[in-house]
Amino acid sequence: EAGVAQSPRYKIIEKRQSVAFWCNPISGHATLYWYQQILGQGPKLLIQFQNNGVVDDSQLPKDRFSAERLKGVDSTLKIQPAKLEDSAVYLCASRRTGDYNEQFFGPGTRLTVL
Amino acid sequence: KNQVEQSPQSLIILEGKNCTLQCNYTVSPFSNLRWYKQDTGRGPVSLTIMTFSENTKSNGRYTATLDADTKQSSLHITASQLSDSASYICVVSAGSGYSTLTFGKGTMLLVSP
Repeated sequence: EAGVAQSPRYKIIEKRQSVAFWCNPISGHATLYWYQQILGQGPKLLIQFQNNGVVDDSQLPKDRFSAERLKGVDSTLKIQPAKLEDSAVYLCASRRTGDYNEQFFGPGTRLTVL
Repeated sequence: KNQVEQSPQSLIILEGKNCTLQCNYTVSPFSNLRWYKQDTGRGPVSLTIMTFSENTKSNGRYTATLDADTKQSSLHITASQLSDSASYICVVSAGSGYSTLTFGKGTMLLVSP
């Protein structure tokens, strides 16, 4: 079974520029998550999708961050415009519906904002 | 507010030694607790999962315990190997259905030769 795919793996941009990240979840996983992980901290949930609907985006800075999951499969996360404090690893995870089903994480995209 | 606290923040041990990592949580209603291992530059990978009724779970050299009364969990690593060097993250799931997860900040373990 293929894992969660993310691209790009690394991205360096200047502040006020825009950036987009892509995630392809494991086939059949209805739930998809985007997390922000700042160095030395645990992942922080940004947004959770169930199929193509948003379940939780309470911690998503909506003035600059947006995410979509068209057709309930792939997802993109966009930051526009980026700030220095957005430097972090952005993790995508997916899981099958069910209380105890494991979240499988992708390798992440490391974003550096200069 | 749901919280997960982990200790120590970081730990250095010699190869072959044992160690224990701690996790305290205030998450309600409790559903399950997972320990994840995150290698540098990789996404977290689940090691163990425990529900309310389970108090111990093993995965090779990793043994997790859960005390639901005191809301504490530990992860014991036996006969450590260099490949155990990683961040270990405690994750507690609340409720059911869409399940909100609360992540700890992790314990950074370095196994030294």
